Amino acid sequence: DQQVKQNSPSLSVQEGRISILNCDYTNSMFDYFLWYKKYPAEGPTFLISISSIKDKNEDGRFTVFLNKSAKHLSLHIVPSQPGDSAVYFCAASYNNNDMRFGAGTRLTVKP
Amino acid sequence: EAQVTQNPRYLITVTGKKLTVTCSQNMNHEYMSWYRQDPGLGLRQIYYSMNVEVTDKGDVPEGYKVSRKEKRNFPLILESPSPNQTSLYFCASSLVAGASGANVLTFGAGSRLTVL
Repeated sequence: DQQVKQNSPSLSVQEGRISILNCDYTNSMFDYFLWYKKYPAEGPTFLISISSIKDKNEDGRFTVFLNKSAKHLSLHIVPSQPGDSAVYFCAASYNNNDMRFGAGTRLTVKP
Repeated sequence: EAQVTQNPRYLITVTGKKLTVTCSQNMNHEYMSWYRQDPGLGLRQIYYSMNVEVTDKGDVPEGYKVSRKEKRNFPLILESPSPNQTSLYFCASSLVAGASGANVLTFGAGSRLTVL
């Protein structure tokens, strides 16, 4: 039972344009949502998070939007850079001891 | 440097030959966890530990054991590996956040295991 779903396995964007990565979840008990970024041969690294009581969190070029009624969140990267090319994992947690991850979306930013 | 260290990074073994993947963190984190990454399935939690001597099953614990005798170490043990345990494994750790914080994980670089 995948409680966190990333339905797009891959996304290709031109440098300078916006990248939008989507994530859906099924468990309304999740209280935190996180995005991790993974380069080849490395472990995932934390990118940005959002609490379930907020609908937006911004950090530089990265913004995460949360729509609780739709059980949907998205990560916006503006402007996209070639160095952003990586696999992005959406994650959700509750009670700080059970983090569920999506399958990941491979982002390619073309120069 | 604050980090999570896993060993070995790569391993090819045969069915039934016991193996241990070590994990060590130098950040004094209370929480540690093991994940496996498989194509199309993302990261699935195998076991986690909230503190020393406290471990709990994640989503896919079958065929694995763990122990948490010291705060810094959280080894993953495959008593009798099988081909379906061929995967990329990640160890992760975090401070257990309070009610106002997200549980941000620091991951190791991964261990690619192949069971023939």
